[in-house]
Amino acid sequence: NAGVTQTPKFQVLKTGQSMTLQCAQDMNHEYMSWYRQDPGMGLRLIHYSVGAGITDQGEVPNGYNVSRSTTEDFPLRLLSAAPSQTSVYFCASSYGRDGYGYTFGSGTRLTVV
Amino acid sequence: EDQVTQSPEALRLQEGESSSLNCSYTVSGLRGLFWYRQDPGKGPEFLFTLYSAGEEKEKERLKATLTKKESFLHITAPKPEDSATYLCAVQARGSLGSQGNLIFGKGTKLSVKP
Repeated sequence: NAGVTQTPKFQVLKTGQSMTLQCAQDMNHEYMSWYRQDPGMGLRLIHYSVGAGITDQGEVPNGYNVSRSTTEDFPLRLLSAAPSQTSVYFCASSYGRDGYGYTFGSGTRLTVV
Repeated sequence: EDQVTQSPEALRLQEGESSSLNCSYTVSGLRGLFWYRQDPGKGPEFLFTLYSAGEEKEKERLKATLTKKESFLHITAPKPEDSATYLCAVQARGSLGSQGNLIFGKGTKLSVKP
């Protein structure tokens, strides 16, 4: 049982480049989300999805796009990378109902130069 | 506005020295309070969920408690392997869809010296 798999683990981008962070889960979880973690800021929600075909914005959505075509996959797209998007990105999944624990991926460390 | 505040930011303990971490929260309606452990370079690892005031849960040297305004993570006789950042998060009642979202505190970095 792999849980939540994120790729790549590390990435360096130039300002203005685009890329997609991949996230896949094999637990048949309905709820998936993307967080970014910055020093002194804690984990902040970027986008989330409550099921295939349904996505919504979180606290810090600007500069990011998501889609959910299958239950398993929830990719995060950076449209035009900016230095402010340098961060560690975590994908998480859950049954999304009362109290169920979230399972996190191991993260993607992104640097935009 | 829903908010989670953790204290202290950092805590240094000697092996065997028991202590507590605090998580204060304000939320319109609490569906659940979560504790996670995060090791350097890794994703958060789920520890506990608490649902209502008075509830307690234990796992090895860790015990989590909940009141209407805060939660405590008690660490009894800690070992060096307990060193990590401990994150608190709340799940708030809200509009359909956002009910799954977690609001995190900034964490407490625990160091346990042998």
